[in-house]
Amino acid sequence: DTEVTQTPKHLVMGMTNKKSLKCEQHMGHRAMYWYKQKAKKPPELMFVYSYEKLSINESVPSRFSPECPNSSLLNLHLHALQPEDSALYLCASSQGTRTGGNTIYFGEGSWLTVV
Amino acid sequence: SQKIEQNSEALNIQEGKTATLTCNYTNYSPAYLQWYRQDPGRGPVFLLLIRENEKEKRKERLKVTFDTTLKQSLFHITASQPADSATYLCALGGAKGGGGADGLTFGKGTHLIIQP
Repeated sequence: DTEVTQTPKHLVMGMTNKKSLKCEQHMGHRAMYWYKQKAKKPPELMFVYSYEKLSINESVPSRFSPECPNSSLLNLHLHALQPEDSALYLCASSQGTRTGGNTIYFGEGSWLTVV
Repeated sequence: SQKIEQNSEALNIQEGKTATLTCNYTNYSPAYLQWYRQDPGRGPVFLLLIRENEKEKRKERLKVTFDTTLKQSLFHITASQPADSATYLCALGGAKGGGGADGLTFGKGTHLIIQP
């Protein structure tokens, strides 16, 4: 089982709703990530937090708002989403250090459906 | 622009044979390359990482090669089993520099089917 825990596993929300996806890891990793994956497509990077600071935003629309309350937690706040935002949202973490490569460990994902 | 190509969308292999998956990239100078396995409806699971100064890595029935001149990685599963059926993703990282936490860029994946 993955050591990156994501909740909820499934979320259905209306276009006017505000909801949040949550992610937690207890591996002592200092980098955390949000990826988006559509059916039959590879995961696409959305955000990277390094030492609790946002270091990469891949031009993600502002209706997605990430938050890193501490080194173990990562949230993705959702507001005014569109049906095309329906996808599997994957949280991941890594040691975040420069040396030795950067193995990224993924959670099981949160399935989001926007209606 | 950066491009990662995995040899085919689907690959059918008979049980017991060696499955070989290919990952080619262009306009990219990765510090490392990783292979992941993804089952339907689940997050990717890390399999192997190989750095730019390494030629080959092995783990049990898995072997990865990395040729930075050809800009290619090969992923082998020996003595394949039906349980190896999944989508295998190639991912590149380390090109953006910075603190090391730069995420990964994934190829589209190869759906491997091992037939009994």
